[in-house]
Amino acid sequence: KNEVEQSPQNLTAQEGEFITINCSYSVGISALHWLQQHPGGGIVSLFMLSSGKKKHGRLIATINIQEKHSSLHITASHPRDSAVYICAVRGINTDKLIFGTGTRLQVFP
Amino acid sequence: NAGVMQNPRHLVRRRGQEARLRCSPMKGHSHVYWYRQLPEEGLKFMVYLQKENIIDESGMPKERFSAEFPKEGPSILRIQQVVRGDSAAYFCASSPLRAPSDNEQFFGPGTRLTVL
Repeated sequence: KNEVEQSPQNLTAQEGEFITINCSYSVGISALHWLQQHPGGGIVSLFMLSSGKKKHGRLIATINIQEKHSSLHITASHPRDSAVYICAVRGINTDKLIFGTGTRLQVFP
Repeated sequence: NAGVMQNPRHLVRRRGQEARLRCSPMKGHSHVYWYRQLPEEGLKFMVYLQKENIIDESGMPKERFSAEFPKEGPSILRIQQVVRGDSAAYFCASSPLRAPSDNEQFFGPGTRLTVL
C-alpha cells in the first residue's frame, strides 16, 4: 500500500463543475503539498499546508490532520484546469517529499 | 526573479554514455532536491543537497548515480553508463530553508532523458 493515496485516478468534468480531489496518507507529516503538472510536464506548486484551509482564486485546499486526509477543490472548473494534480507529503524530521500517483483531470467545454 | 532553471530540457543518450543534468536553484535558495518521474509512474525522491553537502541520498540508486551541489555553480545529477531504464523526467526543486520550517519547494521544468 502506498503511503500517499489519491482518488480518483482519473476525472472528467464539464466546464463550470465543482471538482474535488482527495488525498489520504498513512504517515505522520509536517506539511502537505498540492502540485499541478500540465501536459507539457512542468510542475507548479499550488499549496503547502499543515492545518486548516487555504484558498487561492478558484482553488481551495483543506487538510484534516487527525484523519490524515486532504482535499483539493476547484470551483467553476475551466478547460485550462486540465492537468495532473499531485498530492505530496513531507514527513516529520525529514526533508523529502512522498508523492501520490496523481489525479488526471480533464475539463471539457 | 528567475525560477528554478534546469538544462538541458531534453537529453538523448545511447546506452553506456554519461548523462549530466544541471539545476540552478532560485536566487537565495541554498537547498536542492532531485526527483525522478518514470514513464506512467509518480514522482520519487532521489537526493537532497545543500551547498557542498549531501543531506539525504536515500532515494538514489546505489550504482551509476551521483549528485553534487558545489559552492559555485549549479547542482549536477550525473548518471554514468546509462541504461534504457534510466529514461525518465528528472525534476529539480529548491527551497530557501530547511524543513521542518514553513518551507515550500519550487520546481524546475524538468529534464527529459531518453536512452536509446
